[in-house]
Order: sequence, then structure tokens, then C-alpha cells
Amino acid sequence: AQSVTQPDIHITVSEGASLELRCNYSYGATPYLFWYVQSPGQGLQLLLKYFSGDTLVQGIKGFEAEFKRSQSSFTLRKPSVHWSDAAEYFCAASSNTGKLIFGQGTTLQVKP
Amino acid sequence: GAGVSQSPSNKVTEKGKDVELRCDPISGHTALYWYRQSLGQGLEFLIYFQGNSAPDKSGLPSDRFSAERTGGSVSTLTIQRTQQEDSAVYLCASRGGGTSYEQYFGPGTRLTVT
Repeated sequence: AQSVTQPDIHITVSEGASLELRCNYSYGATPYLFWYVQSPGQGLQLLLKYFSGDTLVQGIKGFEAEFKRSQSSFTLRKPSVHWSDAAEYFCAASSNTGKLIFGQGTTLQVKP
Repeated sequence: GAGVSQSPSNKVTEKGKDVELRCDPISGHTALYWYRQSLGQGLEFLIYFQGNSAPDKSGLPSDRFSAERTGGSVSTLTIQRTQQEDSAVYLCASRGGGTSYEQYFGPGTRLTVT
């Protein structure tokens, strides 16, 4: 069955520190991959996406993600976290119908 | 331009009542999706529309759930005889055609069944 796994339920980082959020997927073929962010009481906002080509993709708000086919992973990174980045982050995968399969989410807490 | 809108933003209903949730997608978007977000189950796919047709209804949890889309635009998700386990945030998303697979989400409808 298709699945997306985010191993870390909760992560705490200090403001200004770097961030890495992990995501692994299990699909029949390489799916389309996405990272979404959800702030409290808000909807889902797309941070970045990977369809094909360059395995390092840039997104909004200074985020980037690296796709590794050999590890079935799609890792989200940010060099320096801001307090406003505190939110829940969802990794998702889709096939060509666009139906999204989401990971369980990672809650990011930012310490001042 | 306008994003995806959903109404109502909050709905409180008594167990056993029927509810209708509405989604207005981005104008011109041909694909529309419904998802449910709950504490115990995370984000789950419910149904996918391409135009007015629903080629994938695999996520609807029971026959109490149904959805329709008219005019290739507005969609309504109906839950009949609501149960407490239906309490969740119902999210709608739309996607343009072609090779764009980005989905744009609405703010959601928070449904509480008492």
C-alpha cells in the first residue's frame, strides 16, 4: 500500500538553528512529492514540490528539500529557523490523479 | 485571485442530523478533492472530482458520506445521520489542469457532532 512516513512527531529547535524534517515514502513508482505547512487554525500552504529533475528543490520562506530515490526520502531543510516557522509540517505524495497521501505530520516548536 | 473557499467555517450539529459542507474551488480548476483532518487519523483523502465526475471515491468512510460537484465548480459534501466520530476538519482543495499537480487548500470546515 502507498504510504508516507514522518518519523518525528515533534521537533524543538532554537531560533536561528538549522532545521531538518524527515519524510519517507512507499510507492510503486516515484511519486510527486510535496511539503505543506499548517499554522494553528490555518489551512495548508504548499512550501515546495518535487516532480522530476534536480533533486534539490527550493520553496517559499527559505525552505528547500532534497529528494533521494535510493532512500525513498524527501527531506525538508531550512538553514536558520525563525519563531514564525513554528507550525505543523506535512509531507505528502501523489500519483497522477493528484490524490494526496499525507504523513502524520511533524510539529515544530521554536525556542527563543 | 480568489483562493479556495469553504462554508461554513464552523458547524455544530446534533448526532443523527444531516450536514452539508460547501467548497468553491479556484475558478477554472478542473480537479477538486475533499480531505478530512482529525486527531486520531491525521489527514485522509475522501474523494476526487475531475470535472463533475468522481473517479475516485475510495476514501469515503461509509455510505453516510456522499459528494457532488455541479457545473465543474462548486462541490458539496453531505454527511447523513452524523456520528460523533465524524467530528473533524473537512478540507477542500482544487488543482488546475495539465501537468500541474499542486493542490490549493481552503481553510476548512470544522464539524463538531454533539
